Amino acid sequence: KNEVEQSPQNLTAQEGEFITINCSYSVGISALHWLQQHPGGGIVSLFMLSSGKKKHGRLIATINIQEKHSSLHITASHPRDSAVYICAVSERAGGTSYGKLTFGQGTILTVHP
Amino acid sequence: EAGVTQSPTHLIKTRGQQATLRCSPISGHTSVYWYQQALGLGLQFLLWYDEGEERNRGNFPPRFSGRQFPNYSSELNVNALELEDSALYLCASSQGPGGETQYFGPGTRLLVL
Repeated sequence: KNEVEQSPQNLTAQEGEFITINCSYSVGISALHWLQQHPGGGIVSLFMLSSGKKKHGRLIATINIQEKHSSLHITASHPRDSAVYICAVSERAGGTSYGKLTFGQGTILTVHP
Repeated sequence: EAGVTQSPTHLIKTRGQQATLRCSPISGHTSVYWYQQALGLGLQFLLWYDEGEERNRGNFPPRFSGRQFPNYSSELNVNALELEDSALYLCASSQGPGGETQYFGPGTRLLVL
């Protein structure tokens, strides 16, 4: 079992739809990250969360530390949102950070006009 | 402010050769991370450098090595290249170690023939 699990793996939506991508993790973390990767390969950091909820434009990210679960929501989806969305965690054990990110498998989102 | 830069953008080598990939972090960032994204395998952590020292290493053979220079730029070396080393190699930097937002470079695409 992977330490970070994302669902769904593939998601197709019509423009304007509300989209949710889920992420569960099984390790101790100091933060959870949502990343966006476009076809050219470049990765952009969307959110870093350690608790609660963050919002940026049409994107909302939430995290439940007790349940070890996070969601990324996209409101009023648009074709330009089409990309791979990746959940990643910064692992921590006790007071020690491992520095590295551990990644989920990614969710391929396609939004049709 | 310049982002994380990587060179070269593309690299073609033959099996058994050595490859050197370079990364310049965002000014003021002391931590540099290397990740591999091989086709079908997702993103995997390779190496973490902070203040010139190797802080953590992923599950990769010793022929993957690197270093961080006094100006915080970094080099990844892959010796005795194998076909399965063909991948996108991403460098990221952060202001400090662990749990910080990581900013990714555009990557180097390595093809081993």
